[in-house]
Amino acid sequence: QVQLVESGGDLVKPGGSLRLSCAASGFTFSDFYMSWIRQAPGKGLEWVSYISSSTTYTNYAESVRGRFTISRDNAENSLYLQMKSLRAEDTAVYYCARLPRGCAGDCYLDSWGQGTLVTVSS
Amino acid sequence: DIVMTQSPDSLAVSLGERATINCKSSQSVLYSSNNKNYLAWYQQKPGQPPKLLIYWASIRKSEVPDRFSGSGSGTDFTLTISSLQAEDVAVYYCQQHYSSPWTFGQGTKVEIK
Repeated sequence: QVQLVESGGDLVKPGGSLRLSCAASGFTFSDFYMSWIRQAPGKGLEWVSYISSSTTYTNYAESVRGRFTISRDNAENSLYLQMKSLRAEDTAVYYCARLPRGCAGDCYLDSWGQGTLVTVSS
Repeated sequence: DIVMTQSPDSLAVSLGERATINCKSSQSVLYSSNNKNYLAWYQQKPGQPPKLLIYWASIRKSEVPDRFSGSGSGTDFTLTISSLQAEDVAVYYCQQHYSSPWTFGQGTKVEIK
């Protein structure tokens, strides 16, 4: 079955950097658009970024554009989120999620990982 | 950005009774060329990630119980749980994927009365 396992969350100081990973299994990773969604503690969901199946297209929320970079390695079945210039307001659980087969950046999210916690604090 | 507004913020329903959650978008999420509403519903139980329930506003994901249904078009949408079960206690979110940035409603917490 579809499995998405995030890792890399940690406590980091403001201005610091962090790289999140998402290991995918149970499906042909290279066929699917992927996305990152975050959820601040006790708050709602916020879309962060998505990337096309071939890495050609990426898109970012305004709140992270220029600071975060989404990437993927289809040979390794892995999705990444490089985060820099981190701020307190980036504190959240970060979820990796998959879009359905055949969908571009205009689809819902049909599978989610368990999430990894990023805490930005001095 | 399209703003998604859910109502109510929370509701308490007796077991076996109907629960209704509304979601309103600040602009239409109906794509006229394919007549699809770019609206999804998710369920998030405590300590768990969100789970897709409904997509294209009214299509239930295969393993989702048929007591869950979605309706609406354009800017007004509804998620209905026809007979609330204990395992349905959760926060429910609507999401538009019509245009970037994708946006979510603030969530509706469903509890047992």
